Amino acid sequence: DSGVTQTPKHLITATGQRVTLRCSPRSGDLSVYWYQQSLDQGLQFLIQYYNGEERAKGNILERFSAQQFPDLHSELNLSSLELGDSALYFCASSPTSLYTDTQYFGPGTRLTVL
Amino acid sequence: GQQVMQIPQYQHVQEGEDFTTYCNSSTTLSNIQWYKQRPGGHPVFLIQLVKSGEVKKQKRLTFQFGEAKKNSSLHITATQTTDVGTYFCAGRPGNQFYFGTGTSLTVIP
Repeated sequence: DSGVTQTPKHLITATGQRVTLRCSPRSGDLSVYWYQQSLDQGLQFLIQYYNGEERAKGNILERFSAQQFPDLHSELNLSSLELGDSALYFCASSPTSLYTDTQYFGPGTRLTVL
Repeated sequence: GQQVMQIPQYQHVQEGEDFTTYCNSSTTLSNIQWYKQRPGGHPVFLIQLVKSGEVKKQKRLTFQFGEAKKNSSLHITATQTTDVGTYFCAGRPGNQFYFGTGTSLTVIP
C-alpha cells in the first residue's frame, strides 16, 4: 500500500459524458501527478501540481482539466468523453522537495467509455 | 515524440538467467527513476539515481546512470519468477515528465 488513494476504482460511462477522478496523496506529500495508461500508449504524463499550483503539463487534452485543493487532494476532470479515453488513470504523489521526482502511485481508476 | 526510449520492449528469460533493460533519453536528465509494474498493478518506485556514473545495488538488481546522464540501465542477476513485470525508467528531460516505453519481463520457471 503506497498510501495514495484513488476513487473510484472503476468507472463506466458513455461518450459525451463528464467524469471526475479523485486522488488523495500520501500524508505530507505536496506534489501530485496524473497519468493515463492505455495498452498502446504506455504511461503518459498528463499534469503535475505542487502545493496547489500547476508545475508541469504533459500532453493533456483540452477536454481534460485538473486541480489541487488546499487540503492537497487532487481531481482530474474529463469531459466530452470519447471511446479513446478508455484507459487506466493513475495518480502519484511525491515528497516535499521540488527537486525529487520519486513518485508513489495509487491503485488507479479504470475508465471505460461506451 | 517519445523522448525516453527503452529496449527491449519484451524479454523472456529462463529462471536463473540474467536480464538487462536499457533506457535512453534524447536530452540530459537531472535524475532518473526506475519503477516496476506487476501485471494488473500500479507502478512501484524502485530507485532514483542522481549523479553522473552512479551505480546502485538492491540485492540482485543493479542500476546504473550514464556519465552523460542520458542513459541508464537495470540489470537483474539470476532472475526469479517474482521478478515478472514491466520495468519503466522515468525522468524529466525538460519540464515534462516522461516514462520510458517499458520492458516487459517474463520469467519461465
